[in-house]
Amino acid sequence: QLQLQESGPGLVKPSETLSLTCTVSGGSISSIKYYWGWIRQPPGEGLEWIGSMSYSGTTYYNPSLKSRVTISVDTSKNQFSLRMSSVTAADTAVYYCATNPCITCGLDLWGQGTTVTVSS
Amino acid sequence: QSVLTQPPSASGTPGQRVTISCSGSTSNIGSRTVNWYQQVPGTAPKLLIYSNNQRPSGVPDRFSGSKSGTSASLAISGLQSEDEADYYCAAWDDSLNGRVVFGGGTKLTVL
Repeated sequence: QLQLQESGPGLVKPSETLSLTCTVSGGSISSIKYYWGWIRQPPGEGLEWIGSMSYSGTTYYNPSLKSRVTISVDTSKNQFSLRMSSVTAADTAVYYCATNPCITCGLDLWGQGTTVTVSS
Repeated sequence: QSVLTQPPSASGTPGQRVTISCSGSTSNIGSRTVNWYQQVPGTAPKLLIYSNNQRPSGVPDRFSGSKSGTSASLAISGLQSEDEADYYCAAWDDSLNGRVVFGGGTKLTVL
């Protein structure tokens, strides 16, 4: 059974780069024709889609974050990653990794989420 | 301001039927399928309804979804205390080169 687990620093300084990893277990990321994505939720607020990468390497990003975000896949480690540059306090949120079988499909598997605080 | 509009709150008593609306536009709900998520506070969201009205395995048939034009609805019948959670609608939006958009969420209280 496929499972996802986020990991990364819980505290990032303003203007620095946020880096998170999602480890996939229960299956090989290189053989599963899925889309690998990131969603975040600021404290007390709703969900915001950050972006996704397809199994073929196509990336899709939220236009409001596109200039600062990179999603990549490391098949050797069975992981996919999120990098967000020039962070501010507004990027403080719980970050979730999630998957879906197509870009317009429902996100049917989620990680438990990891809290990232941007503060000096 | 969310692209999809949901009421911030809804409530009902055990056994009652409640509905949650989700309003969008021709670039999202009007031309794409709608997905619904349930989020119990402190936990990750869970896919509740996909493709407008399909339930993933394990989701009780008390939950149902529908879509008409640029609006969608989630209905919960036979309300139970465990249904108290936040509910989000979502859809693909074809504007701005494509993106996933969420509603602002509806907090359901079981009285």
